[in-house]
Amino acid sequence: GAGVSQSPSNKVTEKGKDVELRCDPISGHTALYWYRQRLGQGLEFLIYFQGNSAPDKSGLPSDRFSAERTGESVSTLTIQRTQQEDSAVYLCASSRTSGTLYEQYFGPGTRLTVT
Amino acid sequence: GENVEQHPSTLSVQEGDSAVIKCTYSDSASNYFPWYKQELGKGPQLIIDIRSNVGEKKDQRIAVTLNKTAKHFSLHITETQPEDSAVYFCAASTQGYQKVTFGTGTKLQVIP
Repeated sequence: GAGVSQSPSNKVTEKGKDVELRCDPISGHTALYWYRQRLGQGLEFLIYFQGNSAPDKSGLPSDRFSAERTGESVSTLTIQRTQQEDSAVYLCASSRTSGTLYEQYFGPGTRLTVT
Repeated sequence: GENVEQHPSTLSVQEGDSAVIKCTYSDSASNYFPWYKQELGKGPQLIIDIRSNVGEKKDQRIAVTLNKTAKHFSLHITETQPEDSAVYFCAASTQGYQKVTFGTGTKLQVIP
């Protein structure tokens, strides 16, 4: 079946502009995660959704970052007033959840470049 | 919160040799330890995982070991092949809590 998809694959924006990044999880996966990966770095947790609610927003770096999820499906990560330090690959992952922790399936990421 | 350290950051081996990547974690409550492989331009993909009720798990050329007392776990790849070249991430989490903390990654290069 289809995996996790993300759009756009690449985004170049000017400093100060807002951007929206989209994630389509695997159908039926109730958990959805956003991570940031700076060049040559590890994965930095941003936010986690269980269904449409976000029990853990602890990783959002500032109030310029927000995310929502609707219909227990698509999620959008919004970055307002982008800064150069926001340049990174933004990865989305989804997983099944019922008790035991399940494997996270990652999308290919959106490469964001802020000029 | 959990902190995961990973070493080495880069590793070069000759084809056919073994590669070992080591990680330590800080939260004694962590009980699930997945390993991910990330190829260039792609998202990470789970290659093997281990839960705290076992000390070792093997899948063909890949094995993971876990020492809960010392809070460290390792990935072993035997008979390495060029297609094993990628960035490998270790991670730790607590069952029932969905947040996964990742290590900083190891770039493995297998030289033909």
